[in-house]
Amino acid sequence: DAGVTQSPTHLIKTRGQQVTLRCSPKSGHDTVSWYQQALGQGPQFIFQYYEEEERQRGNFPDRFSGHQFPNYSSELNVNALLLGDSALYLCASSFPTANYGYTFGSGTRLTVV
Amino acid sequence: GEDVEQSLFLSVREGDSSVINCTYTDSSSTYLYWYKQEPGAGLQLLTYIFSNMDMKQDQRLTVLLNKKDKHLSLRIADTQTGDSAIYFCAEFVYNQGGKLIFGQGTELSVKP
Repeated sequence: DAGVTQSPTHLIKTRGQQVTLRCSPKSGHDTVSWYQQALGQGPQFIFQYYEEEERQRGNFPDRFSGHQFPNYSSELNVNALLLGDSALYLCASSFPTANYGYTFGSGTRLTVV
Repeated sequence: GEDVEQSLFLSVREGDSSVINCTYTDSSSTYLYWYKQEPGAGLQLLTYIFSNMDMKQDQRLTVLLNKKDKHLSLRIADTQTGDSAIYFCAEFVYNQGGKLIFGQGTELSVKP
């Protein structure tokens, strides 16, 4: 049973560019959340998708947007990249109530130069 | 407010017990979690505790919850070098959908 799959694993972008990160949730999970983990910090909540809609959003600018597809997979888009967007981006899947925790993927390491 | 705090570093000798502490602020948290992160990897769920419990034991792991003081701890018995990693405490906050609030992480170093 595959867990959470994220792609790509690493990428390097230039300031001002746009990036799309992808996530496939664990089988049976229908809720996807995205987190940003800067170096030496704990993960910060970006947003959560359920039933193809953004259900909750953290304190991130509108440059961060997302999408959930009918098969529950999700994308995170970041426009007008800044150096400060360099981080590990983690996708987590769960049941809607998350009673038994979130399953995290291995993350996408984004470097903005 | 939503805030989770942890001490940043802990060093122990192999075979000793490790205790990692965490404080949180949201009294409405229903679940509290411990995650482990090894270098270059994602987060691995170690254990969780429901807010109406005081203690949970799972093999070498013991979680203690003091809800009055909003204090959570993770004890690892017989700590091994393979336990060296960063450990994150997280509280589950529900508001039109749930989210995890993480601490900064405690780096555990196990010396042989």
